[in-house]
Amino acid sequence: ETGVTQSPTHLIKTRGQQVTLRCSSQSGHNTVSWYQQALGQGPQFIFQYYREEENGRGNFPPRFSGLQFPNYSSELNVNALELDDSALYLCASRAAEGARSTEAFFGQGTRLTVV
Amino acid sequence: AQSVTQLDSHVSVSEGTPVLLRCNYSSSYSPSLFWYVQHPNKGLQLLLKYTSAATLVKGINGFEAEFKKSETSFHLTKPSAHMSDAAEYFCVVSDRSGYSTLTFGKGTMLLVSP
Repeated sequence: ETGVTQSPTHLIKTRGQQVTLRCSSQSGHNTVSWYQQALGQGPQFIFQYYREEENGRGNFPPRFSGLQFPNYSSELNVNALELDDSALYLCASRAAEGARSTEAFFGQGTRLTVV
Repeated sequence: AQSVTQLDSHVSVSEGTPVLLRCNYSSSYSPSLFWYVQHPNKGLQLLLKYTSAATLVKGINGFEAEFKKSETSFHLTKPSAHMSDAAEYFCVVSDRSGYSTLTFGKGTMLLVSP
């Protein structure tokens, strides 16, 4: 167990709908990153939050957005769902201060299916 | 910019034989390098990490990897494969800063036959 929990574990949505995925980071970790893993692919970086502010973003459109809360938990929101958004969404947390960082610990993921 | 190339999409071995999963990286900074394993329908588990200490890194379950700067490689090895090692393995690079993100390779599926 990594101490990073994601909810829900599985989700089915219809094209055009909106979805919110949640991540509870490990105690003491102030940085949360989200990744999309399509079937048969490696995880792709979506964005990262450090102390409630986004400080990194991958090549994903603006309909992918997020939040980090004061307790460092996080949400990933996806608007106007497309079939290609079907994937495993992974959350990772770590502790980062300046140039120092622990390794990332991953949650079990949320499997999103868009139909 | 940073990137990772895993040279084999699939590797098949027999139980008890050595495992070699190959990884080359590219990074503008002194990198941190990781190997993660993903069993079916599971999240990612850290096997081992290199962060500028010893170039030969030992991880869990008998795996180890050697950082070779001249070859920009970080290959994963295990002397003797076990059936439970069958999984997908990801090589990952990160720059050394605290704000760095992880860049994953496309993964290598390890198949272990009896």
